[in-house]
Amino acid sequence: SYELTQPPSVSVSPGQTASITCSGDKLGDKYACWYQQKPGQSPVLVIYQGNKRPSGIPERFSGSNSGNTATLTVSGTQAMDEADYYCQAWDSSTVVFGGGTKLTVL
Amino acid sequence: QITLRESGPTLVKPTQTLTLTCTFSGFSLSTSGMGVGWIRQSPGKALEWLALIYWDDDKHYSPSLKSRVTIIKDTSKNQVVLIMTNMDPVDTATYYCAHMRGGSYGRFDPWGQGTLVTVSS
Repeated sequence: SYELTQPPSVSVSPGQTASITCSGDKLGDKYACWYQQKPGQSPVLVIYQGNKRPSGIPERFSGSNSGNTATLTVSGTQAMDEADYYCQAWDSSTVVFGGGTKLTVL
Repeated sequence: QITLRESGPTLVKPTQTLTLTCTFSGFSLSTSGMGVGWIRQSPGKALEWLALIYWDDDKHYSPSLKSRVTIIKDTSKNQVVLIMTNMDPVDTATYYCAHMRGGSYGRFDPWGQGTLVTVSS
């Protein structure tokens, strides 16, 4: 079965840039999404189709997807960005989620 | 504005069948491209996709749970039902339904608030 691999945790200082990776076989050939989940809340879509932002998502969130890796980048990270982030992709009409990355803003 | 809400039992016994209902507004499952999915999250764990149904009744299931899960839509009531058989304590989780936007190979947006289901005797 298809697997997406994320680092368990990423730390960043306020105002700096955080990058969260998601790795999977030929992931760059698939549509990748990213979801943000804060404690006690439901996930929220922050990036879809690799690099598109839904309305209402701040411009500091961006994405890229190439080769075997999709990357979520948070520029000028704020304390409110501290959350779990999950990547998601499709494989043969099935949905696959990554294991999640906890972003800590120190 | 699209909203979804999950409902169903908060406690089920091992071996029982779980039935959850997702009631939504702001879109119709009779409209081309629309879909609703179910995703769960065990306490402290990652998201796990369960099932997805589209406007044309096309259904997709997680390979690991396909034998235990059924997804059904009731377009007239704006509801999608998830049925999971032979529940086990490891199935204890928050169950979310979400709107599938963008048709095939789309994305889940938005999500419902989730409902916590505990499996215990």
